Amino acid sequence: ETGVTQTPRHLVMGMTNKKSLKCEQHLGHNAMYWYKQSAKKPLELMFVYSLEERVENNSVPSRFSPECPNSSHLFLHLHTLQPEDSALYLCASSQAAGTGYEQYFGPGTRLTVT
Amino acid sequence: QQQVKQSPQSLIVQKGGISIINCAYENTAFDYFPWYQQFPGKGPALLIAIRPDVSEKKEGRFTISFNKSAKQFSLHIMDSQPGDSATYFCAAQLNSGYALNFGKGTSLLVTP
Repeated sequence: ETGVTQTPRHLVMGMTNKKSLKCEQHLGHNAMYWYKQSAKKPLELMFVYSLEERVENNSVPSRFSPECPNSSHLFLHLHTLQPEDSALYLCASSQAAGTGYEQYFGPGTRLTVT
Repeated sequence: QQQVKQSPQSLIVQKGGISIINCAYENTAFDYFPWYQQFPGKGPALLIAIRPDVSEKKEGRFTISFNKSAKQFSLHIMDSQPGDSATYFCAAQLNSGYALNFGKGTSLLVTP
């Protein structure tokens, strides 16, 4: 595996389900990010982790819960989601967290909440 | 409040033509301006980036023009090719921030 990988690629879940998205980076980076990409809206940053410590939480509802057990892995735990949470969830990594570091994106998980 | 405004929303260019995408921002604390390219089913990938102390940067067929006083920057794709058909996002990052503030994207179609 190379770059940033995300699983699953597609997920359909009911509003009462609990599921998790997984991201893995194979680049030796120290920062990881979750973004939400909705149709007709800019990509929105959700969370930033630097050296496994959360450094930014962009006013994201508590039904989204991130976890970064090590610098290579990032999870997004989902529970009691709403239909408006349906979107493409993108994971990214960079050498460090801060201005000017290129962010490498994974292919995303397409989430549909029914 | 959208921090970076991008236009046009969609663009059709003939093969060999010049594609131009524009972005504008308000926050003068932005210090890094990348452009990302996204193909269907893929995540965005960095295409080219510029800092505000430079007015132009060129990499192959791709050029960023930056106008600090007008708070605008643009992407020019010279000799556009069908393989350039993708969605392009401009972004801006604060000099002490983590987040990339993205524009809404421009869907580019280059016709043969």
